[in-house]
Amino acid sequence: GAGVSQTPSNKVTEKGKYVELRCDPISGHTALYWYRQSLGQGPEFLIYFQGTGAADDSGLPNDRFFAVRPEGSVSTLKIQRTERGDSAVYLCASSLGPGGIQETQYFGPGTRLLVL
Amino acid sequence: GDSVTQMEGPVTLSEEAFLTINCTYTATGYPSLFWYVQYPGEGLQLLLKATKADDKGSNKGFEATYRKETTSFHLEKGSVQVSDSAVYFCALSFRPPGGYQKVTFGTGTKLQVIP
Repeated sequence: GAGVSQTPSNKVTEKGKYVELRCDPISGHTALYWYRQSLGQGPEFLIYFQGTGAADDSGLPNDRFFAVRPEGSVSTLKIQRTERGDSAVYLCASSLGPGGIQETQYFGPGTRLLVL
Repeated sequence: GDSVTQMEGPVTLSEEAFLTINCTYTATGYPSLFWYVQYPGEGLQLLLKATKADDKGSNKGFEATYRKETTSFHLEKGSVQVSDSAVYFCALSFRPPGGYQKVTFGTGTKLQVIP
């Protein structure tokens, strides 16, 4: 079956611009997560959605970052006034639910963002 | 808070050599433990997992055993292949009562297998 998909795969933008990154989770998965992976590091948690609501946004680095999931499926991560330090790979993951002991998060291929 | 520490890379091995990548963790409660693999140019893929103490996860010749007494989850493979060259991430997840399963990753270990 189809996995988690993310678009675009690469995004180059200039400092100060606005960007949107999209995630399509696996069909039927109610939980969706965004992570950021900087070069040479492991993924770091940004935000978690259960259904349409952001259940935990404690990982968002500042108020330039925002994410939505209006219909409980596709999610968009939005970054305003981008800075060079925002350059990273942004990963999306989904799971069946909020995480019973057997549940696993499945990751998309990521969007590589480069801010010039 | 929860954390994962894994050995720094890169690890360079000859084909058919034995592989060990060390991973230790710190967690409240009893987490589930995972190894994810990231092949060049691709996304993270779940390699194996273990959900309770003494469980052994295995896949594609890789194994890891959940050791509660040493808080470790070392990844092993008896005979590596060039195609195993990738970055390997150790991770844990824990769901507190009423909460959700939050995953914490290590920094990754790059494995390079040479013919």
